[in-house]
Amino acid sequence: NAGVTQTPKFQVLKTGQSMTLQCAQDMNHEYMSWYRQDPGMGLRLIHYSVGAGITDQGEVPNGYNVSRSTTEDFPLRLLSAAPSQTSVYFCASSLGGVNGYTFGSGTRLTVV
Amino acid sequence: AQSVTQLGSHVSVSEGALVLLRCNYSSSVPPYLFWYVQYPNQGLQLLLKYTSAATLVKGINGFEAEFKKSETSFHLTKPSAHMSDAAEYFCAVRIYSSASKIIFGSGTRLSIRP
Repeated sequence: NAGVTQTPKFQVLKTGQSMTLQCAQDMNHEYMSWYRQDPGMGLRLIHYSVGAGITDQGEVPNGYNVSRSTTEDFPLRLLSAAPSQTSVYFCASSLGGVNGYTFGSGTRLTVV
Repeated sequence: AQSVTQLGSHVSVSEGALVLLRCNYSSSVPPYLFWYVQYPNQGLQLLLKYTSAATLVKGINGFEAEFKKSETSFHLTKPSAHMSDAAEYFCAVRIYSSASKIIFGSGTRLSIRP
């Protein structure tokens, strides 16, 4: 049981480039979320999904797009990378309700 | 709006001493609360959760937390710190109107002195 798998683990982008952070889970969880982690700011919610075809914005959605075509996958797209998007990104999934999230190991992104 | 506030960005205790990490929540309805731990260069791991079944919640690695409605608090404790407890700890709350939206506090880094 792999849990939540994120790829890549590390990425360096130039300003203006686009890329997709991949996230897949094999636990049949309906709920998935993307967070970014910055020093002193904890984790901030970017986008979340309550099931295939349904997504919504979190606290810091600007500059990011998501889609959820299957239960398993929840990719995060950076449309035009900016240095302010340098961060560690975590994907997480959950059964919802009283259950917490299961996290992936993260993607460390640097935008130069 | 529901939120959590963690008091103290860094806590340092001696090995064998009591660990106390503070979390206060803001919610007009009974909240679902969580504590997570993050070891260096890893993802977050669920330590324990409060779901209104019991006010004292026991988690993994000897940690526990007590929900106190009168104080709007959910502090994390461990009677005796171990070197392996050094990590960052996050308090989180599930937004009442959403089955999936969880908001995190800013985190507390726990250091253990030999």
